Amino acid sequence: KQEVTQIPAALSVPEGENLVLNCSFTDSAIYNLQWFRQDPGKGLTSLLLIQSSQREQTSGRLNASLDKSSGRSTLYIAASQPGDSATYLCAVSYTGNQFYFGTGTSLTVIP
Amino acid sequence: DGGITQSPKYLFRKEGQNVTLSCEQNLNHDAMYWYRQDPGQGLRLIYYSQIVNDFQKGDIAEGYSVSREKKESFPLTVTSAQKNPTAFYLCASSINDRDSVTFFGQGTRLTVV
Repeated sequence: KQEVTQIPAALSVPEGENLVLNCSFTDSAIYNLQWFRQDPGKGLTSLLLIQSSQREQTSGRLNASLDKSSGRSTLYIAASQPGDSATYLCAVSYTGNQFYFGTGTSLTVIP
Repeated sequence: DGGITQSPKYLFRKEGQNVTLSCEQNLNHDAMYWYRQDPGQGLRLIYYSQIVNDFQKGDIAEGYSVSREKKESFPLTVTSAQKNPTAFYLCASSINDRDSVTFFGQGTRLTVV
């Protein structure tokens, strides 16, 4: 069974702080890794997609890294804002775009 | 606006009844997916379709059925054989089933009483 673990489960930080969210997966032979954001009661929004041949991806204040050998990925958020408050989900695929999801990190950014 | 539309947003059904959840996309994507989300668990894949007229079972397909007769539509039927149907159901799509970004709908919350 493929398992994806996200630590911490919840995080509360003051506005402006830089932060790191962690994701680990049991099988390192991944095909793709994707980070998503989910607001309460809503669908998911893709933030970054890292293909297996890549080591990192950047979009604005977000940077995601991938270390396949250790089975880990991190999502770095710079200069956090209250609008960043949401649940962040890590997902890995082993064939195509069929993903296994972690349970997420619930982020609260305090103004 | 391009996107994925799931309807209805909330759905209530009596135990033992089949129910069909709608998913429509106007993104011209070949691949479509159904996931189920339960509290405290990660999303789990129910079914996926790589191309029209084709679909494959995911990890938790038992008690569910799908069809893919049109490129833009991928309805999910929750049958009476599904033991714990109450959940949040999410439909998704991507340009292909290989290495493209996944887009999600806003979800349907199904409650079976």
